[in-house]
Amino acid sequence: GAVVSQHPSWVICKSGTSVKIECRSLDFQATTMFWYRQFPKQSLMLMATSNEGSKATYEQGVEKDKFLINHASLTLSTLTVTSAHPEDSSFYICSARDLGREGETQYFGPGTRLLVL
Amino acid sequence: AQKITQTQPGMFVQEKEAVTLDCTYDTSDPSYGLFWYKQPSSGEMIFLIYQGSYDQQNATEGRYSLNFQKARKSANLVISASQLGDSAMYFCAMRLPGKLIFGQGTTLQVKP
Repeated sequence: GAVVSQHPSWVICKSGTSVKIECRSLDFQATTMFWYRQFPKQSLMLMATSNEGSKATYEQGVEKDKFLINHASLTLSTLTVTSAHPEDSSFYICSARDLGREGETQYFGPGTRLLVL
Repeated sequence: AQKITQTQPGMFVQEKEAVTLDCTYDTSDPSYGLFWYKQPSSGEMIFLIYQGSYDQQNATEGRYSLNFQKARKSANLVISASQLGDSAMYFCAMRLPGKLIFGQGTTLQVKP
């Protein structure tokens, strides 16, 4: 089946530092990947759509200078949380859309838990 | 407005029994897709089942089936013969052009 990996799974950092999270599609090419944020016991909130070779599309209210997205290849997208603050602590999860699957199913990475001290 | 709604914050089911998780949606687009995902405590989102708006038959995948009632705009997930490992949060999602939108989620607990 379609596999998406995400790295790191856990990160603890000091306030003011930047954190990079990688999302890779392992067995399919993904022209589009998505980045979500999830707070405990809540639903997933779409942050941005990452398009290979072009700029990301950000959802309303998401600061593009705060959350930098790069989709450098058909299998890799990165999210960089710049100058992280405690309020950025959350669960970040990426997905990749497999156009070859029925319904263009999105497959998700295992997520990254970010804790900013 | 395009919206997806799960009205059951939490559900309990006895092991080996069947359970139905509710999902209703609203869209004016005649072409759409509906998905169910499972999220265990580890956090990963596991794809369970997909139903396209033009599909004539209800989707089934092993113990999972989707009760698709287009006129009522509902896409309920039925899990048969519940297992302890089914305890998790379940999300219904609808594909819009370019993205998915998710319901609020239902936490399912399977009792031994």
